[in-house]
Amino acid sequence: GENVEQHPSTLSVQEGDSAVIKCTYSDSASNYFPWYKQELGKRPQLIIDIRSNVGEKKDQRIAVTLNKTAKHFSLHITETQPEDSAVYFCAARASGSARQLTFGSGTQLTVLP
Amino acid sequence: NAGVTQTPKFQVLKTGQSMTLQCAQDMNHNSMYWYRQDPGMGLRLIYYSASEGTTDKGEVPNGYNVSRLNKREFSLRLESAAPSQTSVYFCASSGTVEQYFGPGTRLTVT
Repeated sequence: GENVEQHPSTLSVQEGDSAVIKCTYSDSASNYFPWYKQELGKRPQLIIDIRSNVGEKKDQRIAVTLNKTAKHFSLHITETQPEDSAVYFCAARASGSARQLTFGSGTQLTVLP
Repeated sequence: NAGVTQTPKFQVLKTGQSMTLQCAQDMNHNSMYWYRQDPGMGLRLIYYSASEGTTDKGEVPNGYNVSRLNKREFSLRLESAAPSQTSVYFCASSGTVEQYFGPGTRLTVT
């Protein structure tokens, strides 16, 4: 089955700096890659996603890039703010499955004021 | 439009007790899922239901059973709770692409 690895497990940045979180996946048939943000005690919330026919997608300060050849994808957050502090999870979904997602282990992002 | 709802929010069980976690969605989604989240372990799939009338095992199904009652509702049952089942349980649903999560149930087994 699919295996998703996520790095780093913790990341601290100064407010205003950029943050990058990276994930690799094992199943070359995976075609959908969402990112979730989870604040303490809350549910995971979908913040951005990318499909395998696209190399990059942006939404304001957040962007995701996908390299299908290398089987890795990354989340980029620019101009970080304290409210960006949370745990971020990447996930991958293979085609043909019942839309099951395999999640990475998460990255605790802390934005220091 | 409430999205995905779960009950209860919190539960404490003694070892060996049973309980059912309830989940409902009002987005007309075909697929529903149960995950558990343990510290540092991410989200692990327990069971899923691709459509009404079908259920399948995920990564960590042992000790759990599920019922897809109708298109809206998907319940998770612990028949004989064990301390290793102490966790936060999330239900999720999916239509064609995106997957949305419920607020979670924090379960403690003593």
